[in-house]
Amino acid sequence: GQQLNQSPQSMFIQEGEDVSMNCTSSSIFNTWLWYKQDPGEGPVLLIALYKAGELTSNGRLTAQFGITRKDSFLNISASIPSDVGIYFCAGQESGGSNYKLTFGKGTLLTVNP
Amino acid sequence: DVKVTQSSRYLVKRTGEKVFLECVQDMDHENMFWYRQDPGLGLRLIYFSYDVKMKEKGDIPEGYSVSREKKERFSLILESASTNQTSMYLCASGWGYEQYFGPGTRLTVT
Repeated sequence: GQQLNQSPQSMFIQEGEDVSMNCTSSSIFNTWLWYKQDPGEGPVLLIALYKAGELTSNGRLTAQFGITRKDSFLNISASIPSDVGIYFCAGQESGGSNYKLTFGKGTLLTVNP
Repeated sequence: DVKVTQSSRYLVKRTGEKVFLECVQDMDHENMFWYRQDPGLGLRLIYFSYDVKMKEKGDIPEGYSVSREKKERFSLILESASTNQTSMYLCASGWGYEQYFGPGTRLTVT
């Protein structure tokens, strides 16, 4: 099936820095979602995007639905130690099965205090 | 807040045992899902259900079955557990395309 390419695979940053990560596909997606997973826990939904060009914020997090509908971006501003975790993108492919999501492999974020 | 609970956080079973993983959600969601998560392979969909008694195979259904007798409860069954089913199992529920995950069950088959 469709694969999502998520990059970077990992990031090591200093507290206070801004972070950017992205997700790309070769086909069009109708919906993009961003999740965060802490070690040993389930993913938590951060942001959901439904329209091309949409820009949505959740606190220090901002995500965008790319205008080509083949990519999405997540930015974290002024990172803090509790931002550590794995960030996943997920999307619902145009023409795909109802409700079925395709997931990226994740970006592992480490924040040095 | 959406709450999805899973019956066990950690489980150790022997090869050949029948294993039941239970998932309960309290948000009246139509859709429920079972995934497994393995290092390097990401999240893979095993089965999903869009209504009571309705189910569809995901990407890796072999060796698994599911049951949804009530809207709030979705069970994953390993008919005869094997060592290659050692994994983190995640249940999710949702509406539309949004999915909300439980805390996961780390299953070890020895």
